[in-house]
This record gives sequence, C-alpha cells and structure tokens, in this order.
Amino acid sequence: QLQLQESGPGLVKPSETLSLTCTVSGGSISSSSYYWGWIRQPPGKELEWIGSIYYSGSNYYNPSLKSRVTMSVDTSKNHFSLKLSSVTAADTAVYYCARHRMIAVVITTFDHWGQGTLVTVSS
Amino acid sequence: DIVMTQSPDSLAVSLGERATINCKSSQSVLYSSNNKNYLAWYQQKPGQPPKLLIYWASTRESGVPDRFSGSGSGTDFTLTISSLQAEDVAVYYCQQYYSTPSLFTFGPGTKVDIK
Repeated sequence: QLQLQESGPGLVKPSETLSLTCTVSGGSISSSSYYWGWIRQPPGKELEWIGSIYYSGSNYYNPSLKSRVTMSVDTSKNHFSLKLSSVTAADTAVYYCARHRMIAVVITTFDHWGQGTLVTVSS
Repeated sequence: DIVMTQSPDSLAVSLGERATINCKSSQSVLYSSNNKNYLAWYQQKPGQPPKLLIYWASTRESGVPDRFSGSGSGTDFTLTISSLQAEDVAVYYCQQYYSTPSLFTFGPGTKVDIK
C-alpha cells in the first residue's frame, strides 16, 4: 500500500534553510490524479498547509509562506522535497508530507500522510 | 482568506453515546456550480498523522466506520460520532478546500475524550 516517509535534519539553526524530502513507496508520484503536499503542525497547535506540487512541477504555495518556500519533485526517485528559507523559532513544527487528491480538476483533500518529522529551529 | 472555527474546544462523552463537533467557515464553502460543499474532516490520534474521514462534507472515505457522519452546508457543518468507541479518542479537524488551489485551511481542532 502507499507509504510516505519524511527525511531530513531534525535541527536547523535560525536564518538557515530547512530541507526535507518525502519518499513515496507503493505508488507512483507521476500519477495524474494527485498533487503532493507539505503540512506542518507546531507543537500543540493546528495544522498549516505549506504547499503542494504536481509531478510536472506545477505548484501552489501558502501565500503566507510563499516568499520562503521552494518545492521540487524528482520522478526518477519517486520523491518530492521542501525547502523553507530564513527559518525562525516559529518554524519549529512537525512537518508532514501527504498525498493531495484531485477529483476531476479540483485539488481537494489529503488522503495519505507520512508519520511526520519534528524539525526544531534553535542555535 | 477563509477562516475555520470549531466548537467546542474539547468534549468528553460516555462510551456508546453520541459526540457532536461543529465547524464554521467565515464564508460559504458551497460551490454553486456543482452544489458541493468543499469541506473535509480528519481524525488525529496521539502521535499519529491525521486521517481523512469525510469529504464533500458528508461522503465517508473508504474504510471509515459508519458511526462517523458529516452534515451541514454553506458555512455550518457537523461531524457526528453516533456511538463513541474507545478508539475514537482523538482530535478532530475540519478543512476547507473551497479556496483550491490557492489555499487550504484547517480548523483549530476539537479534542474528544471518554467521560
């Protein structure tokens, strides 16, 4: 069955760039029916969508984070990645990758999630 | 931006009793051209990622027990657990996708415990 696994450093220094990769197994990232997204959850707080990317590279970012976010996809490795620049303590969170379902041409819900990875921003 | 609110913040329900969670959007998420509400519900158990329960406000995801049901339209929605089981202890979130593809937002969550 489909599995998503986040990987990357658990500790990032302030002002540096957070980099995470999500490896997809049990299914192809090149499916025409899905985008692939990142969502984060600060400790004890609510979920925040960061952005989503299609296998072609088409992407959408949360306007509140857009200036600092870059997402990319590597179909040969069946994975997609997130870079978040100029991080501060406010970026400390559990970062989840997820499959973002398309129904017809509408991008809708997150139907499969990775287990999440805690990224702490601290010097 | 569409802001999602939920009530109550938390509730405790006896096993076998009904649990009701409310979600309100700051503007309608009913898309007039297809008469669908762009609203989903998720369940998040401690230490786990969220799990999709319901989409289009009332369509259960495959494999979700039928004790979970969603209702409502426009700006006001409800998730009902008809007979609470011990495994239903979790935080429940609503999510709007009316702003697709520009923005997807979640509610603050409602924690459900056993009384």
